[in-house]
Parts: sequence; structure tokens; C-alpha cells
Amino acid sequence: RKEVEQDPGPFNVPEGATVAFNCTYSNSASQSFFWYRQDCRKEPKLLMSVYSSGNEDGRFTAQLNRASQYISLLIRDSKLSDSATYLCVVNGGAGKSTFGDGTTLTVKP
Amino acid sequence: GAVVSQHPSRVICKSGTSVKIECRSLDFQATTMFWYRQFPKQSLMLMATSNEGSKATYEQGVEKDKFLINHASLTLSTLTVTSAHPEDSSFYICSAATRAGGGNNEQFFGPGTRLTVL
Repeated sequence: RKEVEQDPGPFNVPEGATVAFNCTYSNSASQSFFWYRQDCRKEPKLLMSVYSSGNEDGRFTAQLNRASQYISLLIRDSKLSDSATYLCVVNGGAGKSTFGDGTTLTVKP
Repeated sequence: GAVVSQHPSRVICKSGTSVKIECRSLDFQATTMFWYRQFPKQSLMLMATSNEGSKATYEQGVEKDKFLINHASLTLSTLTVTSAHPEDSSFYICSAATRAGGGNNEQFFGPGTRLTVL
């Protein structure tokens, strides 16, 4: 079993749709959690950190459930520019991070 | 946010040659840097963790004699792919971690180096 598993996707949605990604992790001692966005042939960029209390940044909402060991990302009112690969990242300590395989989102007009 | 640069951005070399990739933190000091490799349509795979002034810690399956890492200063880490072969062709990305309040460790990534070995 992989340390971090994501919905395989791809997700193809129309503009304005709401889409949700899930991610599960196996190490219960994991300390911090992030969602990164990666555009084709570019480096990953931090989208948002994920906290147990849940956090929202504009159209993006991230949730962490430690008991069930999963993380979610909700995107509302999808834009064409949201098309990218979304990476779930789990940090086990000492800065060492494990990346999920990513979920590809394509938002269509 | 913090800025990490990588050089070169793209390199094409012949099989058997060695290639050095530099990773620099431009506006902060990074005691720890990470080197990742990403093959097409796959996720980032951690190769090694580089600590300033000490030997790098390599992940299982990564040959430390083939991928030489040097972290000589708080702002520079280098990865040298020795005797590169076509199967080493990949996207190599470095990152530096900062520690924010509460223990969260955000990583800042360099733009990556695309290595093609002919």
C-alpha cells in the first residue's frame, strides 16, 4: 500500500462545477499536510496547508480528518485556470514529505 | 514567499557524461534541502535529503555513488548525476523546507531541471 494515495482521476468538469479530491495516508504519526498544484512540466506550487479545523481560501476548502487519515480538497466554481494536477503531500517530520501520485483536473468551457 | 532557483533548467548530454545541477535558496537560509525526481505522468519521488555540512541521506533504491549531493553552504546544494545514462533522463527538482509556526513545514520548490541523456 502506498503511503499517500489519491483519487486517480482524471476529473473533467465544466466551468462553474464543484469538484472534490480525496487523499488518504498510512502513517498515523504524520505531522503536517498540504495540497500542491503542479502545471504541466513545471514545479509544484503550494496551494494550501491543511489543518484539522479545516481551512478555506477563496474557492478552495481543505479538510483533514486525522481519525480516518484522509485529506480533502474542494474547489467551488471551477475556472479554466484551475486545470492542473493536484498533489496531496504528507509530512512525516524533519521536513521529509511524501507526495501522492496526483489527481489531474481539466476544467472545460 | 521564499525563492529557490535551479540551474540549469534544461540539459542534454551524451551517455557516460556527468551533469551537475545547482539548487539555491535566494532569500533565506536552508539547512535542509531535498532532491526529487519525477518521471512523466508520475509523482515526485524523493531521492535524498541534504543537510548543510553533513552527508546526504538517500532513499532506498537511490545509488549514492551515482547521485552525488553536496550541501556546502546554507544557500546551495548540488546534485551530480555521474556517468549518466538514458534511463536517468528525468525532471529533477530540489526544494528547501522552512519551518512556520506550529511546526508546519512548507517546502519551496526550484523550477526543476529537465535532463535528457542521449
